[in-house]
Amino acid sequence: SAVISQKPSRDICQRGTSLTIQCQVDSQVTMMFWYRQQPGQSLTLIATANQGSEATYESGFVIDKFPISRPNLTFSTLTVSNMSPEDSSIYLCSVEEDISYEQYFGPGTRLTVT
Amino acid sequence: GDSVTQMEGPVTLSEEAFLTINCTYTATGYPSLFWYVQYPGEGLQLLLKATKADDKGSNKGFEATYRKETTSFHLEKGSVQVSDSAVYFCALGGTGGFKTIFGAGTRLFVKA
Repeated sequence: SAVISQKPSRDICQRGTSLTIQCQVDSQVTMMFWYRQQPGQSLTLIATANQGSEATYESGFVIDKFPISRPNLTFSTLTVSNMSPEDSSIYLCSVEEDISYEQYFGPGTRLTVT
Repeated sequence: GDSVTQMEGPVTLSEEAFLTINCTYTATGYPSLFWYVQYPGEGLQLLLKATKADDKGSNKGFEATYRKETTSFHLEKGSVQVSDSAVYFCALGGTGGFKTIFGAGTRLFVKA
Protein backbone atom coordinates (compact mmCIF):
# COMPACT_ATOMS: atom_id res chain seq x y z
CA SER A 1 0.00 0.00 0.00
CA ALA A 2 1.13 3.52 -0.76
CA VAL A 3 2.30 5.68 2.11
CA ILE A 4 1.63 9.39 1.73
CA SER A 5 3.02 12.29 3.70
CA GLN A 6 1.86 15.88 3.63
CA LYS A 7 3.48 19.09 4.76
CA PRO A 8 2.57 21.13 6.66
CA SER A 9 0.25 19.13 8.89
CA ARG A 10 -1.48 22.32 9.95
CA ASP A 11 -1.11 26.05 9.56
CA ILE A 12 -2.78 29.29 10.55
CA CYS A 13 -2.60 31.92 7.84
CA GLN A 14 -3.66 35.51 7.34
CA ARG A 15 -6.30 36.31 4.76
CA GLY A 16 -4.88 37.39 1.43
CA THR A 17 -1.78 35.19 1.69
CA SER A 18 -1.05 31.88 -0.04
CA LEU A 19 -0.05 28.48 1.29
CA THR A 20 1.56 25.63 -0.63
CA ILE A 21 0.87 22.10 0.57
CA GLN A 22 3.25 19.34 -0.38
CA CYS A 23 2.34 15.71 -0.96
CA GLN A 24 4.98 12.97 -1.15
CA VAL A 25 4.26 9.32 -2.01
CA ASP A 26 6.61 6.43 -1.36
CA SER A 27 5.95 4.83 -4.74
CA GLN A 28 5.35 5.98 -8.30
CA VAL A 29 1.71 6.57 -9.15
CA THR A 30 -0.02 8.01 -12.16
CA MET A 31 -3.16 9.39 -10.53
CA MET A 32 -3.04 11.91 -7.71
CA PHE A 33 -5.97 13.81 -6.31
CA TRP A 34 -6.52 16.79 -4.06
CA TYR A 35 -9.59 16.94 -1.85
CA ARG A 36 -11.06 19.43 0.57
CA GLN A 37 -12.88 18.33 3.68
CA GLN A 38 -14.68 21.00 5.64
CA PRO A 39 -15.36 20.35 9.33
CA GLY A 40 -17.82 17.52 9.80
CA GLN A 41 -18.33 17.19 6.05
CA SER A 42 -17.54 14.68 3.35
CA LEU A 43 -14.75 15.03 0.85
CA THR A 44 -14.97 17.32 -2.15
CA LEU A 45 -12.62 16.67 -5.05
CA ILE A 46 -10.68 19.77 -6.05
CA ALA A 47 -8.67 18.39 -8.95
CA THR A 48 -6.96 15.38 -10.46
CA ALA A 49 -3.25 15.76 -11.11
CA ASN A 50 -1.49 13.45 -13.55
CA GLN A 51 2.22 13.73 -14.13
CA GLY A 52 3.06 15.46 -17.38
CA SER A 53 -0.29 17.10 -17.95
CA GLU A 54 -2.34 19.99 -16.62
CA ALA A 55 -4.47 19.28 -13.60
CA THR A 56 -8.16 18.72 -14.22
CA TYR A 57 -10.34 20.84 -11.93
CA GLU A 58 -13.81 20.02 -10.70
CA SER A 59 -16.71 22.41 -11.00
CA GLY A 60 -16.31 25.28 -8.57
CA PHE A 61 -12.53 25.11 -8.42
CA VAL A 62 -10.19 27.10 -10.66
CA ILE A 63 -6.50 27.03 -11.38
CA ASP A 64 -5.93 30.64 -10.34
CA LYS A 65 -7.19 29.88 -6.86
CA PHE A 66 -5.76 26.36 -6.50
CA PRO A 67 -2.69 25.98 -8.71
CA ILE A 68 -1.29 22.46 -8.70
CA SER A 69 2.09 21.14 -9.71
CA ARG A 70 2.94 17.52 -10.50
CA PRO A 71 6.62 17.46 -11.43
CA ASN A 72 7.11 13.68 -11.11
CA LEU A 73 5.36 10.43 -10.22
CA THR A 74 5.88 10.75 -6.45
CA PHE A 75 5.23 14.40 -5.65
CA SER A 76 2.60 17.11 -6.01
CA THR A 77 1.81 20.49 -4.53
CA LEU A 78 -1.42 22.37 -4.07
CA THR A 79 -1.38 26.11 -3.46
CA VAL A 80 -4.31 27.86 -1.86
CA SER A 81 -4.05 31.43 -3.14
CA ASN A 82 -5.36 34.71 -1.82
CA MET A 83 -6.90 32.93 1.13
CA SER A 84 -10.09 33.90 2.90
CA PRO A 85 -11.68 32.41 6.04
CA GLU A 86 -13.92 30.30 3.76
CA ASP A 87 -10.79 28.38 2.73
CA SER A 88 -10.38 27.07 6.27
CA SER A 89 -10.57 23.33 5.82
CA ILE A 90 -8.60 20.10 5.75
CA TYR A 91 -6.84 19.49 2.46
CA LEU A 92 -6.15 15.86 1.61
CA CYS A 93 -3.82 14.41 -0.96
CA SER A 94 -4.75 11.04 -2.39
CA VAL A 95 -3.27 8.58 -4.87
CA GLU A 96 -4.60 5.65 -6.82
CA GLU A 97 -2.23 2.73 -7.12
CA ASP A 98 -1.56 1.89 -10.75
CA ILE A 99 -2.09 -1.85 -10.39
CA SER A 100 -4.62 -2.37 -7.60
CA TYR A 101 -6.55 0.86 -8.30
CA GLU A 102 -6.88 1.19 -4.54
CA GLN A 103 -6.97 4.75 -3.29
CA TYR A 104 -4.85 5.96 -0.40
CA PHE A 105 -4.96 9.20 1.50
CA GLY A 106 -2.46 11.41 3.21
CA PRO A 107 -3.03 12.56 6.79
CA GLY A 108 -4.29 15.93 5.64
CA THR A 109 -3.30 19.55 6.14
CA ARG A 110 -5.52 21.48 8.53
CA LEU A 111 -5.69 25.08 7.36
CA THR A 112 -7.15 27.93 9.38
CA VAL A 113 -7.44 31.36 7.76
CA THR A 114 -7.89 34.33 10.04
CA GLY B 1 -25.15 11.36 -12.07
CA ASP B 2 -23.59 8.81 -9.76
CA SER B 3 -24.25 9.27 -6.05
CA VAL B 4 -23.91 7.63 -2.66
CA THR B 5 -26.35 7.94 0.23
CA GLN B 6 -25.42 6.95 3.76
CA MET B 7 -27.46 6.83 6.91
CA GLU B 8 -27.08 9.95 8.96
CA GLY B 9 -25.15 9.90 12.16
CA PRO B 10 -24.04 10.04 14.73
CA VAL B 11 -24.54 6.43 15.65
CA THR B 12 -23.93 5.69 19.32
CA LEU B 13 -23.50 2.10 20.47
CA SER B 14 -22.30 0.29 23.53
CA GLU B 15 -19.25 -1.91 23.29
CA GLU B 16 -19.99 -5.37 21.82
CA ALA B 17 -23.17 -4.17 20.13
CA PHE B 18 -23.97 -5.04 16.51
CA LEU B 19 -23.29 -2.33 13.95
CA THR B 20 -25.02 -1.62 10.68
CA ILE B 21 -24.35 1.50 8.63
CA ASN B 22 -26.57 1.67 5.57
CA CYS B 23 -25.27 2.73 2.20
CA THR B 24 -27.09 2.85 -1.12
CA TYR B 25 -25.82 4.07 -4.43
CA THR B 26 -26.88 5.24 -7.86
CA ALA B 27 -24.52 4.54 -10.71
CA THR B 28 -24.33 3.83 -14.39
CA GLY B 29 -22.34 0.76 -15.22
CA TYR B 30 -20.80 -1.49 -12.62
CA PRO B 31 -18.71 0.49 -10.16
CA SER B 32 -16.50 -0.81 -7.41
CA LEU B 33 -17.73 -0.04 -3.90
CA PHE B 34 -15.66 0.93 -0.89
CA TRP B 35 -15.82 1.70 2.78
CA TYR B 36 -13.27 4.10 4.20
CA VAL B 37 -12.68 4.92 7.86
CA GLN B 38 -11.35 8.19 9.26
CA TYR B 39 -10.08 8.19 12.82
CA PRO B 40 -9.91 11.52 14.65
CA GLY B 41 -7.19 13.76 13.28
CA GLU B 42 -6.21 11.36 10.50
CA GLY B 43 -6.74 10.88 6.79
CA LEU B 44 -9.01 8.24 5.30
CA GLN B 45 -8.04 4.59 5.28
CA LEU B 46 -9.51 1.98 2.98
CA LEU B 47 -11.43 -0.43 5.20
CA LEU B 48 -12.80 -2.84 2.60
CA LYS B 49 -13.94 -3.02 -0.98
CA ALA B 50 -16.00 -5.09 -3.41
CA THR B 51 -15.53 -4.95 -7.14
CA LYS B 52 -18.56 -6.81 -8.47
CA ALA B 53 -22.06 -7.90 -7.57
CA ASP B 54 -22.35 -10.40 -4.69
CA ASP B 55 -18.73 -9.81 -3.65
CA LYS B 56 -18.23 -9.53 0.09
CA GLY B 57 -15.49 -7.26 1.36
CA SER B 58 -14.19 -7.85 4.86
CA ASN B 59 -11.51 -6.49 7.14
CA LYS B 60 -10.97 -6.15 10.90
CA GLY B 61 -14.33 -7.80 11.62
CA PHE B 62 -16.22 -5.46 9.30
CA GLU B 63 -18.13 -6.83 6.32
CA ALA B 64 -20.13 -5.44 3.42
CA THR B 65 -21.78 -7.22 0.49
CA TYR B 66 -22.24 -5.65 -2.94
CA ARG B 67 -25.99 -6.04 -3.62
CA LYS B 68 -26.77 -5.02 -7.18
CA GLU B 69 -30.48 -5.80 -6.88
CA THR B 70 -30.92 -3.36 -3.99
CA THR B 71 -28.00 -1.07 -5.00
CA SER B 72 -26.68 -1.34 -1.47
CA PHE B 73 -23.39 -1.88 0.32
CA HIS B 74 -24.24 -1.86 4.02
CA LEU B 75 -21.39 -2.03 6.53
CA GLU B 76 -21.74 -4.49 9.42
CA LYS B 77 -19.74 -5.60 12.42
CA GLY B 78 -20.88 -8.16 14.93
CA SER B 79 -19.28 -6.67 18.04
CA VAL B 80 -17.95 -3.11 18.05
CA GLN B 81 -15.15 -1.85 20.25
CA VAL B 82 -14.40 1.60 21.60
CA SER B 83 -11.49 1.77 19.16
CA ASP B 84 -13.97 1.57 16.25
CA SER B 85 -15.15 5.10 17.04
CA ALA B 86 -14.54 7.00 13.82
CA VAL B 87 -16.25 8.40 10.75
CA TYR B 88 -17.14 5.84 8.07
CA PHE B 89 -17.49 6.81 4.41
CA CYS B 90 -19.14 4.73 1.74
CA ALA B 91 -17.82 5.37 -1.76
CA LEU B 92 -18.14 4.18 -5.34
CA GLY B 93 -16.10 4.20 -8.49
CA GLY B 94 -12.49 5.20 -8.26
CA THR B 95 -10.89 2.60 -10.46
CA GLY B 96 -8.78 3.23 -13.51
CA GLY B 97 -8.85 6.95 -13.08
CA PHE B 98 -12.57 7.41 -12.57
CA LYS B 99 -13.09 9.69 -9.63
CA THR B 100 -14.34 8.31 -6.36
CA ILE B 101 -17.70 9.57 -5.14
CA PHE B 102 -18.03 9.68 -1.37
CA GLY B 103 -21.07 9.57 0.82
CA ALA B 104 -21.55 12.17 3.53
CA GLY B 105 -19.94 10.01 6.21
CA THR B 106 -21.43 8.46 9.33
CA ARG B 107 -19.88 9.18 12.69
CA LEU B 108 -19.79 6.22 15.08
CA PHE B 109 -19.35 6.57 18.83
CA VAL B 110 -18.80 3.42 20.85
CA LYS B 111 -19.20 3.67 24.63
CA ALA B 112 -17.37 1.43 27.06
